[in-house]
Amino acid sequence: AAGVIQSPRHLIKEKRETATLKCYPIPRHDTVYWYQQGPGQDPQFLISFYEKMQSDKGSIPDRFSAQQFSDYHSELNMSSLELGDSALYFCASSSTLRPDTQYFGPGTRLTVL
Amino acid sequence: DAKTTQPPSMDCAEGRAANLPCNHSTISGNEYVYWYRQIHSQGPQYIIHGLKNNETNEMASLIITEDRKSSTLILPHATLRDTAVYYCIVSSGGGADGLTFGKGTHLIIQP
Repeated sequence: AAGVIQSPRHLIKEKRETATLKCYPIPRHDTVYWYQQGPGQDPQFLISFYEKMQSDKGSIPDRFSAQQFSDYHSELNMSSLELGDSALYFCASSSTLRPDTQYFGPGTRLTVL
Repeated sequence: DAKTTQPPSMDCAEGRAANLPCNHSTISGNEYVYWYRQIHSQGPQYIIHGLKNNETNEMASLIITEDRKSSTLILPHATLRDTAVYYCIVSSGGGADGLTFGKGTHLIIQP
């Protein structure tokens, strides 16, 4: 079965640079979520989108922004990167038929040097 | 969302049932209990969820106490591949609400 696709899988950036992470949800899923997991930490919810509109907001820094496009894929834009932004970033998707179940992608590992 | 409390780690012998407890004493009437697991650095995986009745699927069973203040996830025949961090999450569910992951239980299946 098709799963959530995230790209790139690994990304290395310098401090103060920008990064864009992409997420392609499972086909026919209309809701996308972003999570951040720092080293040795538990996943933290950042933001979610339903039908291209921001739906729920967690602990997303002001330096980060995200959007969902007409094909339901989503991008997380991160600016002025800091060392503390080094983390795994997971995208998850769900459908209105089964809104209680989020399916997670494999994650993007971002390293900020 | 209500707060959950889980033991930080547990061991279980391969082939035995693994019983993972979770306390959620402040759960409100419209909140569900969800269980997810994360196998080392992979994306979290949905296991099961319930409101007040016990639930069973192909992966696990969920037992919720009558007062809904605690629950137990049961993996009936644990295998080495079940070694993971298991998260108990309480949420009103639906919509596009983000999940609040707590500390979770690191379950280690011993051969």
